Parts: sequence; C-alpha cells; structure tokens
Amino acid sequence: EVQLVQSGAEVKKPGESLKISCKGSGYSFTSYWIGWVRQMPGKGLEWMGIIYPGDSDTRYSPSFQGQVTISADKSISTAYLQWSSLKASDTAMYYCVRFYSGPHYFDYWGQGTLVTVSS
Amino acid sequence: EIVMTQSPATLSVSPGERATLSCRASQSVSSNLAWYQQKPGQAPRLLIYGASTRATGIPARFSGSGSGTEFTLTISSLQSEDFAVYYCQQYNNWLLTFGGGTKVEIK
Repeated sequence: EVQLVQSGAEVKKPGESLKISCKGSGYSFTSYWIGWVRQMPGKGLEWMGIIYPGDSDTRYSPSFQGQVTISADKSISTAYLQWSSLKASDTAMYYCVRFYSGPHYFDYWGQGTLVTVSS
Repeated sequence: EIVMTQSPATLSVSPGERATLSCRASQSVSSNLAWYQQKPGQAPRLLIYGASTRATGIPARFSGSGSGTEFTLTISSLQSEDFAVYYCQQYNNWLLTFGGGTKVEIK
C-alpha cells in the first residue's frame, strides 16, 4: 500500500527556519516524482514544486521559486520542504503528493502538515 | 502560466440529481487534466486523470470529458458523500496549476 506520511504540525515565529518532511512507503521511492501543494486557510490548492528522488531533478512553480527549497533523501525515502525565513503568509496546510508523470497527476496525497507562523 | 477557471463557484444540488462542473484552461492542455475531491478536514483525493479516466476505486457515477481548453466533471446521481469541493488541475511543460474549486452543496 502506497503511503505518504508527513511530519507533525509546526508553530513558528516570523523569521524562523523550518523543514517539514514526507516519508514514502509501499512503492519505489526513486521511481516517482514527489512534490508539495499548499492550501492557505479557507483557500484552494497551489502547486509548489516537485523533485525526482532518483536524480534530485527539481521543478518549481514560478510562484514559489526562491521562496522554498524542496529536497529528498532517497536513502530514507523522505522528501522535504524547507523555508529559511518564515513569514506570516506562509501559514497554511502543506500536502506532500506523489506525481505520476505520464498523464501527469497527483495520485497519492499525504495527510498534510499544518504550519502556523505567528509572533 | 496557464490559468484554470472553474464554474460555478458553488453548485447547490439535491441528492440523486446530476451535477455538472466546468473547468476552462486559458490555453490548450490537451488531455493533461485531472479532477480531485476534497472533503472538510481531509486531503484531496484523485478522481479523474487524463481528462476522462477514473482513478482506482472511483465509482462509475463520476465521469470526466473534454480536451484542449474545455473540461467537464459530471456526477450522475449525487450521493450524500459527494458533497465536497472539486478541483481541476492541468499539466503543461512542467508547470501545473489548479482551478479555484467548485463547492457542491446540498440544496
């Protein structure tokens, strides 16, 4: 069974750094793109970027390029989303997603990690 | 960036009735279009990919159609568990965008 299990909720202050994680299991982690989707409170879905753990090829949405860093450690089947300096506007639910690159869709979703940034 | 526009924003439907949701792309995305369902407090779930192929385990009352710039998700006979928000998503040249969503609510 394919599973994406994300790290727990975070409460941070503006300016702090953060790295959240997503562990994949039940499939070949290095054979599928894995990415992140943001959902701000009461809003829709926004694609942030994806990484291919097999070779670390990474693609970002123009809206998030330079704002976050996506990485992966294939030795432990885990993907990461990282901020160097959080803003209040980063408060959102973040979903880890497996991307099927063929017809191009997100076939599995993690349970979400709620990030709250508040002073 | 390709903009995906979903309509209507809210659709009020009685159980057992048919629901038709629309998604329009600002330029052609061929058949690279997927639909997702999201219930309150849950992660989204894949319903349709390739514009018209149901994902594993999705009931036959869900169907997708269209290509190019105009797409439709049809729920033939709404069940109580189908009241949710539905999103379309396109892929084009390593850029992906979601529509703003359609909320299907009980009439």
